[in-house]
Amino acid sequence: AQKITQTQPGMFVQEKEAVTLDCTYDTSDQSYGLFWYKQPSSGEMIFLIYQGSYDEQNATEGRYSLNFQKARKSANLVISASQLGDSAMYFCAMRDTNTGGGNKLTFGTGTQLKVEL
Amino acid sequence: NAGVMQNPRHLVRRRGQEARLRCSPMKGHSHVYWYRQLPEEGLKFMVYLQKENIIDESGMPKERFSAEFPKEGPSILRIQQVVRGDSAAYFCASSEGGRLEKLFFGSGTQLSVL
Repeated sequence: AQKITQTQPGMFVQEKEAVTLDCTYDTSDQSYGLFWYKQPSSGEMIFLIYQGSYDEQNATEGRYSLNFQKARKSANLVISASQLGDSAMYFCAMRDTNTGGGNKLTFGTGTQLKVEL
Repeated sequence: NAGVMQNPRHLVRRRGQEARLRCSPMKGHSHVYWYRQLPEEGLKFMVYLQKENIIDESGMPKERFSAEFPKEGPSILRIQQVVRGDSAAYFCASSEGGRLEKLFFGSGTQLSVL
């Protein structure tokens, strides 16, 4: 079974600083996908970034980048130049490859990020 | 992700009533997923549907819960005879295709059972 581990229940960062949110995963599959989502206090789930296991380059989307270390099975999210609006819960997720062709995701427990002035 | 539409945003039911949650996927997406988020937890997969077919319902409780995605209209998650433990946020997500596609979520329906 696949498993996602987020060991940081809460993080604080100063505005304009960079922050890294940790995510490790466990899978025996060779082909998989990793996602990061943001959930602000309003509750919606916002897609941030995606990394495929065969992608040679680390994924980047604006201020978000994914530090993908395949051998270590880690997929940390890096947010550069933090803004107050980045304060939210962040979830790491992995696509379950046992589903017949689908996008069934396994989620971690999340990291609550608080950006301070 | 604004393209995945869920309604209602909030739903209050008394124990024993039925809850119907609706999800319209993004335009062009034919794959729909339902997830449930209990308080202070991450999302848990419930069911995966394509038009008129249930592909994977391994996360659905065996009783009282059902889902459909008809040829026309939104996907429906139906919970019969709700109990307090059903109180949660229910999220719908959609993708254009199968495994290689990114998944986009709606804003969720917060179900409260009194």
